[in-house]
Amino acid sequence: GENVEQHPSTLSVQEGDSAVIKCTYSDSASNYFPWYKQELGKRPQLIIDIRSNVGEKKDQRIAVTLNKTAKHFSLHITETQPEDSAVYFCATGGGGADGLTFGKGTHLIIQP
Amino acid sequence: EAQVTQNPRYLITVTGKKLTVTCSQNMNHEYMSWYRQDPGLGLRQIYYSMNVEVTDKGDVPEGYKVSRKEKRNFPLILESPSPNQTSLYFCASSTGTSGWDTQYFGPGTRLTVL
Repeated sequence: GENVEQHPSTLSVQEGDSAVIKCTYSDSASNYFPWYKQELGKRPQLIIDIRSNVGEKKDQRIAVTLNKTAKHFSLHITETQPEDSAVYFCATGGGGADGLTFGKGTHLIIQP
Repeated sequence: EAQVTQNPRYLITVTGKKLTVTCSQNMNHEYMSWYRQDPGLGLRQIYYSMNVEVTDKGDVPEGYKVSRKEKRNFPLILESPSPNQTSLYFCASSTGTSGWDTQYFGPGTRLTVL
């Protein structure tokens, strides 16, 4: 089945700097790549997603890039703010199995 | 308001005592799923359902059962809970039948099995 590796597990950045989280996947048939944000004590919520017919998607300060040849995709957050502190999960879908396969998560810490 | 609800939100029980966690969505979604979240392991799918009366195993189905008798409800059943099922559980629903779209999560159920 699909295997999704997410790095780093913890990322600490200064407020205002950029943060990048990377995921690799194993199933070349995967064609849906969402990112979820989970604040402390809350449920995961979708923040951005990309499908395999595009290489990059932006929404204000966040962007996702996809390299299907290398089977990796990344989340980019610019001008980080305190409210960006959370756990971020990447996921894949559209491969051999129904549903999403999640990475293990990245704890993003924004230092004041 | 479009939402996924779960009950109970917190539950402490003892080994072997059957329990059910309910999940309901009001968005008319075809696809529903259960995940468990454990520290360092991310979200792992337990069971999913693509439509009424259609359910299938996810990555960690052992010790769990589900049913989908109505479109809006997808209960998770632990017939004989054990301490290794202590976890945070999330129900989710999604448009379409494959789950390859935005998943809307419930608020979570924190289960402790003593």
